[in-house]
Amino acid sequence: QKEVEQDPGPLSVPEGAIVSLNCTYSNSAFQYFMWYRQYSRKGPELLMYTYSSGNKEDGRFTAQVDKSSKYISLFIRDSQPSDSATYLCAMKKSYNTDKLIFGTGTRLQVFP
Amino acid sequence: NAGVMQNPRHLVRRRGQEARLRCSPMKGHSHVYWYRQLPEEGLKFMVYLQKENIIDESGMPKERFSAEFPKEGPSILRIQQVVRGDSAAYFCASSPQTGDGTDTQYFGPGTRLTVL
Repeated sequence: QKEVEQDPGPLSVPEGAIVSLNCTYSNSAFQYFMWYRQYSRKGPELLMYTYSSGNKEDGRFTAQVDKSSKYISLFIRDSQPSDSATYLCAMKKSYNTDKLIFGTGTRLQVFP
Repeated sequence: NAGVMQNPRHLVRRRGQEARLRCSPMKGHSHVYWYRQLPEEGLKFMVYLQKENIIDESGMPKERFSAEFPKEGPSILRIQQVVRGDSAAYFCASSPQTGDGTDTQYFGPGTRLTVL
């Protein structure tokens, strides 16, 4: 079993839709959770960074963490064609410098 | 403030040759990480370095792979005697040492290695 599971998609939605992206994990030691966006043939770009359980909002993006269920989510409101990319969840155990464990990524396509 | 820089962006090698990938961290960042991304897979951690020290190499293959981060100059990921299975995108990330939980990792554009 992988430490972090993520549905690879692809997920195809119309412009303006609300998108929900999810990851589950098995190691309860993970404390810090991130979402990265990766455009084709580019490096990952940090979108959201959260600690422990709860919600965090930044513009059209909301990250949720439910540690009791070992489940994290990223919501994108009013999705745009420019949101079309692969979304990677990542997590680490320590607040200090520590390696990231990534999901396999979900490919999202937003069509006009 | 320039981001993480990697070069070359594309590298083609024949089986048995050596590949050298370079990474310059963001200004003020003293921690460097290397990750590998195979087609249709997520990023896999390889090695974590600080200046002149390897902190965690638990993701590095035991043979042919090495990494360094000298006192001066970029971090180098070196792959000796490359094989076709080494073909992948190699990403470098850097982070500051803030100690307050904000030391997230910022990624470079990657080096795409193709082994013929």
